[in-house]
Amino acid sequence: EPEVTQTPSHQVTQMGQEVILRCVPISNHLYFYWYRQILGQKVEFLVSFYNNEISEKSEIFDDQFSVERPDGSNFTLKIRSTKLEDSAMYFCASTIKQGNTEAFFGQGTRLTVV
Amino acid sequence: GNSVTQMEGPVTLSEEAFLTINCTYTATGYPSLFWYVQYPGEGLQLLLKATKADDKGSNKGFEATYRKETTSFHLEKGSVQVSDSAVYFCALDRGSTLGRLYFGRGTQLTVWP
Repeated sequence: EPEVTQTPSHQVTQMGQEVILRCVPISNHLYFYWYRQILGQKVEFLVSFYNNEISEKSEIFDDQFSVERPDGSNFTLKIRSTKLEDSAMYFCASTIKQGNTEAFFGQGTRLTVV
Repeated sequence: GNSVTQMEGPVTLSEEAFLTINCTYTATGYPSLFWYVQYPGEGLQLLLKATKADDKGSNKGFEATYRKETTSFHLEKGSVQVSDSAVYFCALDRGSTLGRLYFGRGTQLTVWP
């Protein structure tokens, strides 16, 4: 069964460092998303991506964040200069169409900023 | 705006007990409603969905009915199993062509034998 895979499963980084979280969406999906969940809080939308550009982003997704689809399979989230408050579980998701459809999620990357 | 409020957990039940996890929402437009489940070490998986008022989504013995009058989408199961132990997330999308999901906090369910 096709699945979304994320690497690494856990990343520890020092404050101020850059991190790249990687995702391989399902191969025939066209829409890609990043969400995050700070411990004890809601799962929050960060950004959606289609046709090699951002289609929507939340207020969380500031200039520190960027996304890229560098080749035909990977979808990455970069945080340029991590802060303590970026510590969270980050989920990648993909969908075959936009809206009113099942989103397929990866298992998440737990980012810990120290 | 759009938001989901979900029953606080954790919920602990004995096997074969009845489960209800409450979910209410606020939304502009005509949202679709979802329940996702996350088993330990795995990603979120769609459990069930409903796309319009009075629709009932069902899967694996779980049910939820889209109630527009009470803006609710409560998850129920008549007899839980140990294997149902997981985190359950209520979510909505705006029912438009935009795919963003709005989630609740998640409810941890533990079922004891």
